[in-house]
Amino acid sequence: KAGVTQTPRYLIKTRGQQVTLSCSPISGHRSVSWYQQTPGQGLQFLFEYFSETQRNKGNFPGRFSGRQFSNSRSEMNVSTLELGDSALYLCASSPPSGSSYNEQFFGPGTRLTVL
Amino acid sequence: AQSVSQHNHHVILSEAASLELGCNYSYGGTVNLFWYVQYPGQHLQLLLKYFSGDPLVKGIKGFEAEFIKSKFSFNLRKPSVQWSDTAEYFCAVIPSGGYNKLIFGAGTRLAVHP
Repeated sequence: KAGVTQTPRYLIKTRGQQVTLSCSPISGHRSVSWYQQTPGQGLQFLFEYFSETQRNKGNFPGRFSGRQFSNSRSEMNVSTLELGDSALYLCASSPPSGSSYNEQFFGPGTRLTVL
Repeated sequence: AQSVSQHNHHVILSEAASLELGCNYSYGGTVNLFWYVQYPGQHLQLLLKYFSGDPLVKGIKGFEAEFIKSKFSFNLRKPSVQWSDTAEYFCAVIPSGGYNKLIFGAGTRLAVHP
């Protein structure tokens, strides 16, 4: 089974621009979560989507948004980029289960650099 | 706010030494606990998880962790480390009802010297 894929792997943008990152979960997985990883703040939860609905949200400003499509693929968007948005953005998918939480499988991440 | 504390940011060991990485969380209710590992240049991957039952859980590559509810702790152990265990280790929790919202600790960088 193919793992979680994220595109692009690397991205360079300038302040004020916007960016869209894409994540394709493992086949059959319906939950997709996004995390931001920085040296200063570590790994922080952005949001989770399940069956095209945002099920959970972290403490990030409204410039960070996401969506999920009917095939479970997900995108996240960051508008009006700031220098502090430079980070590794990780996507994780989870298989369906009887409980509301499960093991998450992580992708390689998209490295975003804001200049 | 819910948080996870990892006591050691950097650990340096020689091969065959024993390893224990501390993890404490601040949440009074039911939690689901995880240890993830990130090897150099690789994805985050799950080492082990605790949802319920036996508080001593075994994971991949000889790792184990013990959940001590009274101490809000979930420490990771390995009796004898190898050079290939060099990686960054993250403790994480999902509070009950938190769906898939992982709250991570700051991570511990482990370097194992031959």
